[in-house]
Amino acid sequence: EIVMTQSPATLSVSPGERATLSCRASQSVSSKLAWYQQKPGQAPRLLIYGASTRATGIPDRFSGSGSGTDFTLTISSLQSEDFAVYYCQQYSHWPPWTFGQGTKVEIK
Amino acid sequence: EVQLVESGGGLVQPGESLRLSCTASGFIFSSYEMYWVRQAPGKGLEWVSYISSSGSSIYHADSVKGRFTISRDNTRNSLYLQMNSLRVEDTAVYYCARDPVLGADYFDSWGQGTLVTVSS
Repeated sequence: EIVMTQSPATLSVSPGERATLSCRASQSVSSKLAWYQQKPGQAPRLLIYGASTRATGIPDRFSGSGSGTDFTLTISSLQSEDFAVYYCQQYSHWPPWTFGQGTKVEIK
Repeated sequence: EVQLVESGGGLVQPGESLRLSCTASGFIFSSYEMYWVRQAPGKGLEWVSYISSSGSSIYHADSVKGRFTISRDNTRNSLYLQMNSLRVEDTAVYYCARDPVLGADYFDSWGQGTLVTVSS
């Protein structure tokens, strides 16, 4: 089973600032990495797939990078609606499909 | 518009059973692989089950293997999760999710979730 590790657990950022979230896989997942955003009381929403491709309707302030074992989600200028929990997920080796434990982006 | 609506959650005692449903609309359900993903209160996301578009291929997480069964009825645009021998640790919001295209293997659409509480 591939273990996904996200860091940091919590990221405190001021509106308008840049946020950088990390995700590491226990073995190579190539570019088969997705990012999801989840707000309280809501279902997750797909942001990025293929490590760097934005899903339909996702603003271009969200960008993904990386391949192999190390990945990054960058939010270039945080808006109020971006404060949420973000999860990475690998889909290279399944089953199981595995998620990171999440990074909470909170207002500084 | 793609819509996934889960139902069937509730409060049950340990050892009891529950059947969750997910009704799909806005797309050709029979063409898509589907999943169940759960989230325990205050915790992260955990994949539970997968079913191919025809229902011929199924996988379950080790944590539910032998107790949970995923199925689908393409004539009713519906996905199901039969949960038997429920445990306290199965308490979670259960989401159904869609694979956007054959072989994509990630989740592009999610339902709003249904809460399952297992407690004595």
